Amino acid sequence: QQKVQQSPESLSVPEGGMASFNCTSSDRNFQYFWWYRQHSGEGPKALMSIFSDGDKKEGRFTAHLNKASLHVSLHIRDSQPSDSALYFCAASEPSNTDKVVFGTGTRLQVSP
Amino acid sequence: EAAVTQSPRNKVTVTGGNVTLSCRQTNSHNYMYWYRQDTGHGLRLIHYSYGAGNLQIGDVPDGYKATRTTQEDFFLLLELASPSQTSLYFCASSDWGRAETLYFGSGTRLTVL
Repeated sequence: QQKVQQSPESLSVPEGGMASFNCTSSDRNFQYFWWYRQHSGEGPKALMSIFSDGDKKEGRFTAHLNKASLHVSLHIRDSQPSDSALYFCAASEPSNTDKVVFGTGTRLQVSP
Repeated sequence: EAAVTQSPRNKVTVTGGNVTLSCRQTNSHNYMYWYRQDTGHGLRLIHYSYGAGNLQIGDVPDGYKATRTTQEDFFLLLELASPSQTSLYFCASSDWGRAETLYFGSGTRLTVL
């Protein structure tokens, strides 16, 4: 069973719109979360990490973590065509952060 | 930014064949990882290593061996390749410490006929 579940599987937004991604862990030991982005033909690259409850904002990207519900989300405002990519949620345990588990990914398409 | 180089970029072999995927990182990171990426499964951890000579088992290790010969070099070995191992393989590295970011290579696409 996948320990990190993502939704939706795919997402289409117009340029300038808001893109929202969801991630839920089935393992209560997972307390640290990351969002990675992968453009076609490349390896994933880290977007941002979030380890504490609440919001974390970096430019157009905002992550939200609710540890009680094991839910983390990512929101991209003013989406650009260059944001079109595969987005992964990743998680690890505070006591074992060298083992990082990834979700199944959400594919974003931003149309001009 | 951390540099992780994988080779080859593409590889085709036959069932039962012997394959070695190579990964080198040049940023003195302690941790190195091998993941496979498949549609519907995301990225799944095969093996990882803390340093030269160390090997840790990941979540999908069956059919794979790995060896970390130096701090820079991490190899993934498929000694009897099967069609189920057709996948996109990524190597990654991260620095020592807690909750560090992973830096990925560009991937190796392996096809087992």
